[in-house]
Amino acid sequence: DQQVKQNSPSLSVQEGRISILNCDYTNSMFDYFLWYKKYPAEGPTFLISISSIKDKNEDGRFTVFLNKSAKHLSLHIVPSQPGDSAVYFCAASGRGGSNYKLTFGKGTLLTVNP
Amino acid sequence: GAVVSQHPSRVICKSGTSVKIECRSLDFQATTMFWYRQFPKQSLMLMATSNEGSKATYEQGVEKDKFLINHASLTLSTLTVTSAHPEDSSFYICSAGTGDLNQPQHFGDGTRLSIL
Repeated sequence: DQQVKQNSPSLSVQEGRISILNCDYTNSMFDYFLWYKKYPAEGPTFLISISSIKDKNEDGRFTVFLNKSAKHLSLHIVPSQPGDSAVYFCAASGRGGSNYKLTFGKGTLLTVNP
Repeated sequence: GAVVSQHPSRVICKSGTSVKIECRSLDFQATTMFWYRQFPKQSLMLMATSNEGSKATYEQGVEKDKFLINHASLTLSTLTVTSAHPEDSSFYICSAGTGDLNQPQHFGDGTRLSIL
């Protein structure tokens, strides 16, 4: 039973355009959401997070939007750069902070073409 | 930033061998460490949560006698895959948390385990 779903296994975007990565979840107990980026042969690197009390969090080129009623979140990258090409994982937790287990989606491979 | 080191990065060994994987937090004290497994094109699946000085908490379906976890210090956790078989071949990855509510987990680079 996949509690965190990333339904698009891959996404291809032109450099300079916006990349939108989507994530849906089913567990209403999730309270904290994160996006990680992963290059081949490396561990996931934290990008950005959002608490359920917010609907938007922005950090430079990265913005995460949360729609609690729809149990949906998205990551916007603008402008997209070739170095953004990686697998992006959506993750959710019952609480904020680093001591609580994360449930991951399957990831979306983003390719940004020059 | 917080750095987590995982060693070895790749292991190839014969069936029946036990394999130990180390996870170290290099510049912070990790009160909690997590072990995940990832099969190709699948998500990272949590295997167990370990807190320093106490027994690990295993997720449903994960055999604790098969996957031994030790978290003897605030900077080191180990995962031992005992009597490994080909079906244990996978990508194992650890993460560490500081306990800070405002900090995310930080991940190691993973270990690719191949059992022949």
